[in-house]
Amino acid sequence: AQSVTQLDSHVSVSEGTPVLLRCNYSSSYSPSLFWYVQHPNKGLQLLLKYTSAATLVKGINGFEAEFKKSETSFHLTKPSAHMSDAAEYFCVVPGYNNDMRFGAGTRLTVKP
Amino acid sequence: DAMVIQNPRYQVTQFGKPVTLSCSQTLNHNVMYWYQQKSSQAPKLLFHYYDKDFNNEADTPDNFQSRRPNTSFCFLDIRSPGLGDAAMYLCATSRYWIGWNYEQYFGPGTRLTVT
Repeated sequence: AQSVTQLDSHVSVSEGTPVLLRCNYSSSYSPSLFWYVQHPNKGLQLLLKYTSAATLVKGINGFEAEFKKSETSFHLTKPSAHMSDAAEYFCVVPGYNNDMRFGAGTRLTVKP
Repeated sequence: DAMVIQNPRYQVTQFGKPVTLSCSQTLNHNVMYWYQQKSSQAPKLLFHYYDKDFNNEADTPDNFQSRRPNTSFCFLDIRSPGLGDAAMYLCATSRYWIGWNYEQYFGPGTRLTVT
């Protein structure tokens, strides 16, 4: 079955330091994978998506993610955190029935 | 800008009083979804439409219904809201099946309070 596991429920970084949000996937075939961000009381916004074209995917706001089949991972990174990056981040994989399988989410806190 | 619009943004209803939430899209996407999101949780899919074909998740309560009268609009009806139905309700669209690498576009959500 298609699923994703976000390894950290909460990550805290200082402004200007790197961000790493971890996601492992489970899939019977090479999946497409997505990262979405949700700011408080807002809808979800697509950060980036992997569709097998390239293993390193660049997204909006300086985020990128690398698909590693050998590790079944799709971790989200950013070289330098900004205060505006504080939000909830979801790793997502499509299911078999046109549904999206969400990870539990990782709350990113950015300290000044 | 093309977008997914949800109305109202905040809705207060009384216990047991029917309520309807609205979603419209200007993207001309084939698929529309309704999610329920409770505090500090991931969104939970309630149902989706591919064109007029309705797909209900197995664990969606009968209390929740949906209508899609045309491509642009989709409604979520809660027939008898309970206190446990208080949540953020998110509408989303995608051009085709998401398994074909089409991402979802989300509206800003409707925050439902049940008193």
